Amino acid sequence: AQSVTQPDIHITVSEGASLELRCNYSYGATPYLFWYVQSPGQGLQLLLKYFSGDTLVQGIKGFEAEFKRSQSSFNLRKPSVHWSDAAEYFCAVGAGGSQGNLIFGKGTKLSVKP
Amino acid sequence: KAGVTQTPRYLIKTRGQQVTLSCSPISGHRSVSWYQQTPGQGLQFLFEYFSETQRNKGNFPGRFSGRQFSNSRSEMNVSTLELGDSALYLCASSHGRISGKTEAFFGQGTRLTVV
Repeated sequence: AQSVTQPDIHITVSEGASLELRCNYSYGATPYLFWYVQSPGQGLQLLLKYFSGDTLVQGIKGFEAEFKRSQSSFNLRKPSVHWSDAAEYFCAVGAGGSQGNLIFGKGTKLSVKP
Repeated sequence: KAGVTQTPRYLIKTRGQQVTLSCSPISGHRSVSWYQQTPGQGLQFLFEYFSETQRNKGNFPGRFSGRQFSNSRSEMNVSTLELGDSALYLCASSHGRISGKTEAFFGQGTRLTVV
């Protein structure tokens, strides 16, 4: 079955530091990959998506992600974190079937130190 | 353009009761999906509706049901509530049938607490 793994449950970074959130997927075909962000008590907001083409994709709020097929990874990065980036981040793969059209990882909670 | 609207935002129900949650998709969107989010299980797919027909269903008991109206608004119903049904229920809409390569827009969710 398809799956998404986010190895880090919780990450703390200092404001202004760089950030990398890891995501690994298991999917038989060409994956469609997404990163969503969720602020406390809110729904999910799409940060960026990868369908095909350039493996480095740019998103909103200064985020980018790189698709590496050989490593089955789609890591999210930001060069300089702001306090407002504190939230939970979810990686997802577009699939189908009883697992649903979006299969999500368990999420990584990001805390930002002043 | 208004986003996905879910009502109510918060609900408290008693075990054994039933509950109905509502989702109004973005105007022009015809596909609505529902997800359950809990701290232990994360985000789990419930079902997807497109053009008033259920197109896909996750692994949830029959107590969970849904429907979609001709204006694409969707409702989900949970009967005989259990404590474990306490969760954030998220609705997502998209323009076309969600096939994996479709951007889904999420509402803010309905927080259901079963006591």
